[in-house]
Amino acid sequence: AQSVAQPEDQVNVAEGNPLTVKCTYSVSGNPYLFWYVQYPNRGLQFLLKYITGDNLVKGSYGFEAEFNKSQTSFHLKKPSALVSDSALYFCAVSARDDKIIFGKGTRLHILP
Amino acid sequence: KAGVTQTPRYLIKTRGQQVTLSCSPISGHRSVSWYQQTPGQGLQFLFEYFSETQRNKGNFPGRFSGRQFSNSRSEMNVSTLELGDSALYLCASSPLKTYGYTFGSGTRLTVV
Repeated sequence: AQSVAQPEDQVNVAEGNPLTVKCTYSVSGNPYLFWYVQYPNRGLQFLLKYITGDNLVKGSYGFEAEFNKSQTSFHLKKPSALVSDSALYFCAVSARDDKIIFGKGTRLHILP
Repeated sequence: KAGVTQTPRYLIKTRGQQVTLSCSPISGHRSVSWYQQTPGQGLQFLFEYFSETQRNKGNFPGRFSGRQFSNSRSEMNVSTLELGDSALYLCASSPLKTYGYTFGSGTRLTVV
C-alpha cells in the first residue's frame, strides 16, 4: 500500500531565509509526487509535480522540490521565504493506476 | 476558464439525515476525485471517477457513495449522517492523473 509522511506539523522560518518542508513516501513502482498549498478557507492549489525526468522540479511561486529515490523523499524548498508563503502545505503520492493520497499537511509560518 | 465548482459551500444537517454534494469539474476533465478534510485526519480519499466509472475507492463506510454523470459532473451522497461526518469535502478534477488535480473550494458540512 502507498503512504506519505510529513514529519513536521509546523515549520517556522524567518522571512528571507530558505525554507524546507519535508515529505517521505512509500509506493510500489515508480511514484507520481505532488505538492499542494492551502490558504485559509480555500481548496488546495497545485504547486508542482514529479512524474519522470529531472530530479529537481520547479513549480509555482518560486518553489522547487527534489526527488530522491534512494531516500524516498520529495522535500519542498524555496531559497527565500516570503510572509505570503504562510499556509498549509500537502505532499501527495500515487502509483500509476492507484489513487492519489495526501500527507497530513505541514503548516508553514514565515515570520516577518 | 471556469474552475472546479462545488455546491453548496456550506451545509448544516441533523444526525440521521442524508446529504448530496455536487461537483462540476473543469470542462474537458474526465477524472473527478473526492476527499474529506478534517483537522485531525488531514485529507482522506473517498472515491475517484473516470468516465462515469468508479476507478478507486477509499476506506469509508457504505454510507458514503458517489457517482459521475456523462457530462463528468459528480455527486457524493452521505446517508444516516453522524457527528463525525462534519468536515470539509473537497472535489478535484484532472484530464489525466499526471497533470495533477485542480481542487474546488469545498463544501463545509456541519452535522448537529
